[in-house]
Amino acid sequence: GNSVTQMEGPVTLSEEAFLTINCTYTATGYPSLFWYVQYPGEGLQLLLKATKADDKGSNKGFEATYRKETTSFHLEKGSVQVSDSAVYFCALSQEKGGDGKLTFGQGTILTVHP
Amino acid sequence: GAGVSQSPRYKVAKRGQDVALRCDPISGHVSLFWYQQALGQGPEFLTYFQNEAQLDKSGLPSDRFFAERPEGSVSTLKIQRTQQEDSAVYLCASSGLGTSGRMDTQYFGPGTRLTVL
Repeated sequence: GNSVTQMEGPVTLSEEAFLTINCTYTATGYPSLFWYVQYPGEGLQLLLKATKADDKGSNKGFEATYRKETTSFHLEKGSVQVSDSAVYFCALSQEKGGDGKLTFGQGTILTVHP
Repeated sequence: GAGVSQSPRYKVAKRGQDVALRCDPISGHVSLFWYQQALGQGPEFLTYFQNEAQLDKSGLPSDRFFAERPEGSVSTLKIQRTQQEDSAVYLCASSGLGTSGRMDTQYFGPGTRLTVL
């Protein structure tokens, strides 16, 4: 079945540091890939997505590239801010031809200090 | 417009009690999903509705779990004879019809935190 593996956290960075959160997946066919973010006290929000190989999703300075050859979708940001502190979830779904249910990784807690 | 809403936000139940969790999706969204999120874990799929039809219930952990969406809008997740292992946050998500056979983005509600004592 489908599965998603994220780098274990928590990750603690200073403001303006470079961020990478690794994500690899196992799936049949051509899944769509997502990063969701959960800010303290809030619900899950879609951060970015990519629907086919070599697509790059981007939003709020975050980027991730769909790499089919390495089955990866690593999240990066060049300069993090305190407000980026949250839990980040990598996920996949079989959107096309499937019912779109999401398979999530275990989440990575990010804390950014001033 | 309003996002996905869930009620109650918090529920404490004694072991053996029945509970009902409500989800109000975004108006017009045909797809509705339920997920279970244990502490420190990612959400796990429970069940999926397209309008009133429950098309996938492969993630429901036991026959104590039951979900319905009788009019294709509001959905209720019911857990009978709750057990301590049912303690988790229950998330509801809805999505509209995408194009070219592709599902649209899922929008999540704030969740219901269930604690079974």
